[in-house]
Amino acid sequence: KNQVEQSPQSLIILEGKNCTLQCNYTVSPFSNLRWYKQDTGRGPVSLTIMTFSENTKSNGRYTATLDADTKQSSLHITASQLSDSASYICVVSAGYSTLTFGKGTMLLVSP
Amino acid sequence: SQTIHQWPATLVQPVGSPLSLECTVEGTSNPNLYWYRQAAGRGLQLLFYSVGIGQISSEVPQNLSASRPQDRQFILSSKKLLLSDSGFYLCAWSSGTGFRKAFFGQGTRLTVV
Repeated sequence: KNQVEQSPQSLIILEGKNCTLQCNYTVSPFSNLRWYKQDTGRGPVSLTIMTFSENTKSNGRYTATLDADTKQSSLHITASQLSDSASYICVVSAGYSTLTFGKGTMLLVSP
Repeated sequence: SQTIHQWPATLVQPVGSPLSLECTVEGTSNPNLYWYRQAAGRGLQLLFYSVGIGQISSEVPQNLSASRPQDRQFILSSKKLLLSDSGFYLCAWSSGTGFRKAFFGQGTRLTVV
């Protein structure tokens, strides 16, 4: 069964600090992996998308990595801002079938 | 460019009443369409997905149903709402090939009272 596991479940960091969120997946056949940011009460917004051959993808202060061998991905946030407080969701797609979602990591950036 | 519309944004319905949430996509053809539910403090749960008109796959047994009467229209329905149907419902679409594009609607906050 395709699964996506994210850790930690929640995280609190001070403004300006860096943090890394983890995503482990068992999805086959792997097509691509996405990270989304979801503000409370809003729909998720795509941050990055990576295919099998891509190891790193950056979007401003967000950097995602992918290790297709170990089936792990991480999302690194640099110099966090209060507006980074949100849920971050890892999504993996398998071939042409449905997307498999992680449960998300809730990040709170405190002043 | 592609856009996805989902409405209403919020909805308060009494127990036992019917439900109809609509989602439409513009700027693309033959999209894969999805309905997700997000309960408070929990992750996204896939409810239905559709790869074409009239083709609906259900991921979990529930009090809900979905229909796709047109290529870019996806409807989530219920004949009689339960309290447990309360939650945040998201519609999403992805491109039919390659899966490089996937976008979400803004969601519907449903409260069953």
